[in-house]
Amino acid sequence: LAKTTQPISMDSYEGQEVNITCSHNNIATNDYITWYQQFPSQGPRFIIQGYKTKVTNEVASLFIPADRKSSTLSLPRVSLSDTAVYYCLVLGAGSYQLTFGKGTKLSVIP
Amino acid sequence: DAGVTQSPTHLIKTRGQQVTLRCSPKSGHDTVSWYQQALGQGPQFIFQYYEEEERQRGNFPDRFSGHQFPNYSSELNVNALLLGDSALYLCASSLGGTGYYGYTFGSGTRLTVV
Repeated sequence: LAKTTQPISMDSYEGQEVNITCSHNNIATNDYITWYQQFPSQGPRFIIQGYKTKVTNEVASLFIPADRKSSTLSLPRVSLSDTAVYYCLVLGAGSYQLTFGKGTKLSVIP
Repeated sequence: DAGVTQSPTHLIKTRGQQVTLRCSPKSGHDTVSWYQQALGQGPQFIFQYYEEEERQRGNFPDRFSGHQFPNYSSELNVNALLLGDSALYLCASSLGGTGYYGYTFGSGTRLTVV
């Protein structure tokens, strides 16, 4: 499984766009990238996943360059309720487990 | 649409005791995975159950065992509890188990071993 590296913490003001970048240099051809969000005392919540280029849903966008060695989660116009830990994971085709790192603790400031 | 339900929400046990945690998966899901999350860390994969059998296991000792019932619900059993077993135990359900469509996590059971 490819190891992921992401910043330990980030701060942002309300209303700003937040970009969290994750590196996964050893990603394999059939792996895809997935992001989860976790609030205190709750389980992680699936946000978005992708294989290449750009994926967008109602919550976030995921940008993956052609070499797929990194990915960027973009949260538009964050609010205080977006304060959480964000995990970047690489999921291998046929793998049944999620391998979490420590994630990025995002703090949104009023 | 009921999500993943875990019980109990909190539990205090003494070293050496045994504990059973329960999980009901999201409606329509057939696979249950269990994770352990220590304070300040990301969740760690314990094992996954599919068709009532353990399909994959993480790096956890045999003290950790599980079961899946015909209705897809699952139990996690931990024997001979250690202080280091204190953690948030999370259950995640999915359809088929590969996670391609995302896993749905419950809110967890907070286990404290004293």
